Amino acid sequence: AQSVSQHNHHVILSEAASLELGCNYSYGGTVNLFWYVQYPGQHLQLLLKYFSGDPLVKGIKGFEAEFIKSKFSFNLRKPSVQWSDTAEYFCAVNEAGRRALTFGSGTRLQVQP
Amino acid sequence: DGGITQSPKYLFRKEGQNVTLSCEQNLNHDAMYWYRQDPGQGLRLIYYSQIVNDFQKGDIAEGYSVSREKKESFPLTVTSAQKNPTAFYLCASKTALSGANVLTFGAGSRLTVL
Repeated sequence: AQSVSQHNHHVILSEAASLELGCNYSYGGTVNLFWYVQYPGQHLQLLLKYFSGDPLVKGIKGFEAEFIKSKFSFNLRKPSVQWSDTAEYFCAVNEAGRRALTFGSGTRLQVQP
Repeated sequence: DGGITQSPKYLFRKEGQNVTLSCEQNLNHDAMYWYRQDPGQGLRLIYYSQIVNDFQKGDIAEGYSVSREKKESFPLTVTSAQKNPTAFYLCASKTALSGANVLTFGAGSRLTVL
């Protein structure tokens, strides 16, 4: 069965620090990849997505992610975090032909001013 | 504004009682989903529905039931058979026109079993 692993469960950074959150998935075929974010008290919302093409995708609020097929990874990055980036981040994968997303366990990011 | 409305936001129930969580969308989306969110476990799929009058079990369907009588509505019933029902429940939807699963989420319902 398809699975998604997020190894960082809780990350604490100071403002202006660089961020990289890991995401690995288990399926070897064609996949669509997503990062969703849940700000405190708000709905889950899409941060960025990869379907095909350029493996480096850019999302909202300065986030980007790189799809490395050989490593089954889709890590999320931001060069300089802000206090407003404090949230929970979820990686999700949709394998071709499967009708629903599989989510990782989430990473709680806390940015200290 | 278009979106997904989940109700109630907070719900308390006694053990042995069934409870139904409402999910309504005015986005004209074809597919609807129920996920359960627990700390440290992310989102796990309970049930989903691609079209009216059809639905499929997800990864953790035991102890839950759903119906899809209308396109806009996808209620979830948490039955007394669910061993650990205390959780945050999220409803989501997407249009069939989307080539991949870009989901729109509701605000969630938090169920606590006393």
